[in-house]
Amino acid sequence: ETGVTQTPRHLVMGMTNKKSLKCEQHLGHNAMYWYKQSAKKPLELMFVYSLEERVENNSVPSRFSPECPNSSHLFLHLHTLQPEDSALYLCASSQRTDYEQYFGPGTRLTVT
Amino acid sequence: AQSVSQHNHHVILSEAASLELGCNYSYGGTVNLFWYVQYPGQHLQLLLKYFSGDPLVKGIKGFEAEFIKSKFSFNLRKPSVQWSDTAEYFCAAMMDSSYKLIFGSGTRLLVRP
Repeated sequence: ETGVTQTPRHLVMGMTNKKSLKCEQHLGHNAMYWYKQSAKKPLELMFVYSLEERVENNSVPSRFSPECPNSSHLFLHLHTLQPEDSALYLCASSQRTDYEQYFGPGTRLTVT
Repeated sequence: AQSVSQHNHHVILSEAASLELGCNYSYGGTVNLFWYVQYPGQHLQLLLKYFSGDPLVKGIKGFEAEFIKSKFSFNLRKPSVQWSDTAEYFCAAMMDSSYKLIFGSGTRLLVRP
């Protein structure tokens, strides 16, 4: 595997479910990010981790909970989501937080 | 508030036509600027970037962009588009070398053969 991978690629969940999104980067980068891409809206930064420490929580509701166990892996734990949370969730990584970011293919999330 | 604007939401061109996609940012300080492309069914890929130096930057697949500080612009250009350039193009800016990458709303380009 090369670059940034994300699993699953598609996820359908009910509002009472708990699920997790996984991201893995194979680029040796030190920073990882979660973005939300909704229809007709610009990409929104959700969380930033640098050297495994969270440096940004961009006013994201607590029903989204990130976890970065090491510099190669990033998780987004989901619970009691709302239908408006349906979107494409993108993971990205960069060598440093002020360098260009490389994106994964995304997880298409549908909340029913 | 810091923002990035892409004024063309949809662009339709014929093959061999020239392309220019507009991008403006609102910030008076130091900016790093990027263009990303998302081909149908694929993930976001970096086309080119500007950090400093020559304001005319060249990227992959024949694309280039010019940073004009006085106009707060970073327009993307290609002299002759191909059908395979059909994609969505995103301009993004990083203000003061922070980690916050602010994206424009994107421009969907359709190139007709």
